[in-house]
Amino acid sequence: NAGVTQTPKFQVLKTGQSMTLQCAQDMNHNSMYWYRQDPGMGLRLIYYSASEGTTDKGEVPNGYNVSRLNKREFSLRLESAAPSQTSVYFCASSDNGGGEQYFGPGTRLTVT
Amino acid sequence: AQSVTQLDSHVSVSEGTPVLLRCNYSSSYSPSLFWYVQHPNKGLQLLLKYTSAATLVKGINGFEAEFKKSETSFHLTKPSAHMSDAAEYFCVVSFSGTYKYIFGTGTRLKVLA
Repeated sequence: NAGVTQTPKFQVLKTGQSMTLQCAQDMNHNSMYWYRQDPGMGLRLIYYSASEGTTDKGEVPNGYNVSRLNKREFSLRLESAAPSQTSVYFCASSDNGGGEQYFGPGTRLTVT
Repeated sequence: AQSVTQLDSHVSVSEGTPVLLRCNYSSSYSPSLFWYVQHPNKGLQLLLKYTSAATLVKGINGFEAEFKKSETSFHLTKPSAHMSDAAEYFCVVSFSGTYKYIFGTGTRLKVLA
């Protein structure tokens, strides 16, 4: 039982490049989330998916897109990376809205 | 508006002494409350949760927290700190049926030998 997995663990991009961060969970959870973590700011929600087939914007969605590919997988895409998107990105899942979340190990992204 | 305040950004304790990490929340509704721990370069791990059952909640690794509605607090305690407890701790508020989780800005716990 791997829980929540994320790939890649580290990535360096040049400004303007694109990439997709992958997330998968094996707990049969309905809801999945993407957060970014910046020093001194806690975690901020980028997008979430309440259930398979739905996605909604969070607090800081600009510059990102998401896809809920199936119940297990939720990807985050940066179409044109900017230095302001340098951050650590965490994927999480929960069985339902408001319940405990389970987090992946994170992706450390640097945009130069 | 709902909010979470972690009152200390840094806490230092000696190994074997008690730990107290403070969290206050503001909410018009009955919240669920969580504490998470994050070790360096790792994801967040759930320590414990309060979801309107017992007000004293026991978690993993000897941690516990008490929900005090009158004080709108959910402080995290441990009787005796261990070196392995050195990490960052996050207090989180959520509401049943919603997808909004409010994270505190974190408390970094340092344990001195």
